[in-house]
Amino acid sequence: GENVEQHPSTLSVQEGDSAVIKCTYSDSASNYFPWYKQELGKGPQLIIDIRSNVGEKKDQRIAVTLNKTAKHFSLHITETQPEDSAVYFCAASLPTGANSKLTFGKGITLSVRP
Amino acid sequence: ETGVTQSPTHLIKTRGQQVTLRCSSQSGHNTVSWYQQALGQGPQFIFQYYREEENGRGNFPPRFSGLQFPNYSSELNVNALELDDSALYLCASSLGKGGNQPQHFGDGTRLSIL
Repeated sequence: GENVEQHPSTLSVQEGDSAVIKCTYSDSASNYFPWYKQELGKGPQLIIDIRSNVGEKKDQRIAVTLNKTAKHFSLHITETQPEDSAVYFCAASLPTGANSKLTFGKGITLSVRP
Repeated sequence: ETGVTQSPTHLIKTRGQQVTLRCSSQSGHNTVSWYQQALGQGPQFIFQYYREEENGRGNFPPRFSGLQFPNYSSELNVNALELDDSALYLCASSLGKGGNQPQHFGDGTRLSIL
């Protein structure tokens, strides 16, 4: 089945700097890649997603890039703020079918230092 | 628009007991997926329900079962509870089956097994 890995497991940045979180996936047939932000005591919140027919997607300070050849995708956060501190999960899914399910990475804890 | 709600928020059970967790999907969504999130890990897919039918199952034993009702709300039932079942149980709703539709999570039920 699909395997999703995230690196690094923790990341600390200074407020105002950019943060980049990388994920790799194993199944080249995967076609949907969402990113979730989880704050303490809350459920994961969908912050951005990308499909395999697109190489990059932006939403204000957040962007996601996808490299299908290398089977990796990255979350880019610019002008980081303390409220960006949270655990971030990447996930991947196969197209609709019997094995279509979201497979998550283990998460990365982002700390933004004021 | 009402988001995904889960009940109860916390639950304490002992080994061998049975538990039922509940989820109300976001308005307009017809699909509910359940996940188990152990401490420090990403969510693990348990199963998905689409229009009251199970549509995909992860690597969980049969003592994990579920239901979806005509209003698309859902239940997760776990029989013969084990210590390792202690985790945060999350439900997510989406419009359309499979893993490649945007899924929106509730804040989960924290289950502790003594």
